[in-house]
Amino acid sequence: AQSVTQLGSHVSVSEGALVLLRCNYSSSVPPYLFWYVQYPNQGLQLLLKYTSAATLVKGINGFEAEFKKSETSFHLTKPSAHMSDAAEYFCAGTPSGGTSYGKLTFGQGTILTVHP
Amino acid sequence: DGGITQSPKYLFRKEGQNVTLSCEQNLNHDAMYWYRQDPGQGLRLIYYSQIVNDFQKGDIAEGYSVSREKKESFPLTVTSAQKNPTAFYLCATNTPTRGGNIQYFGAGTRLSVL
Repeated sequence: AQSVTQLGSHVSVSEGALVLLRCNYSSSVPPYLFWYVQYPNQGLQLLLKYTSAATLVKGINGFEAEFKKSETSFHLTKPSAHMSDAAEYFCAGTPSGGTSYGKLTFGQGTILTVHP
Repeated sequence: DGGITQSPKYLFRKEGQNVTLSCEQNLNHDAMYWYRQDPGQGLRLIYYSQIVNDFQKGDIAEGYSVSREKKESFPLTVTSAQKNPTAFYLCATNTPTRGGNIQYFGAGTRLSVL
């Protein structure tokens, strides 16, 4: 069974600092992986996705993530944090083959706080 | 204006009462999902449907029921058997894309118990 683990339920950075949100997956076959962002009392918005075409994936709002098979990781980064980046971030995965029916397995979420 | 509409935004349930959360989409997506979100637990799948008149239990289906009579609609009923219904409920749809299905989410319904 596949699982997705986000390390750190809360991350706090200063405005302008590097953002690093960690995600590891457990799967016998490299899955498709996604990062979503959720602002308070809203739904989830897709930031980026990995689908094996390229290991470094660029998303919206200046975020990017790198798939590392050797580390089973898919960490999310942004070089310089903005106040507007404060939100909860979810890593999610789905098997790349078989009959997953598009079902996603979500990590527990990481709340990002940005200080002025 | 295309998208996923969840209503109501806030809902209150009295003890022993069934309540129904609405999810409507005009994206023409075949698959629809219901998730429950609790703080620190991520999103957990309640039910999903791949096609009209068919649906499958997710990881936490007990105390919930669904129907899929139309492609556009996937209502979720929280029954009195669900003893801890207070949570944020999210509806999602899914369409196959090259290299992985993307799920799109509604704005959610926050359910509280009176």
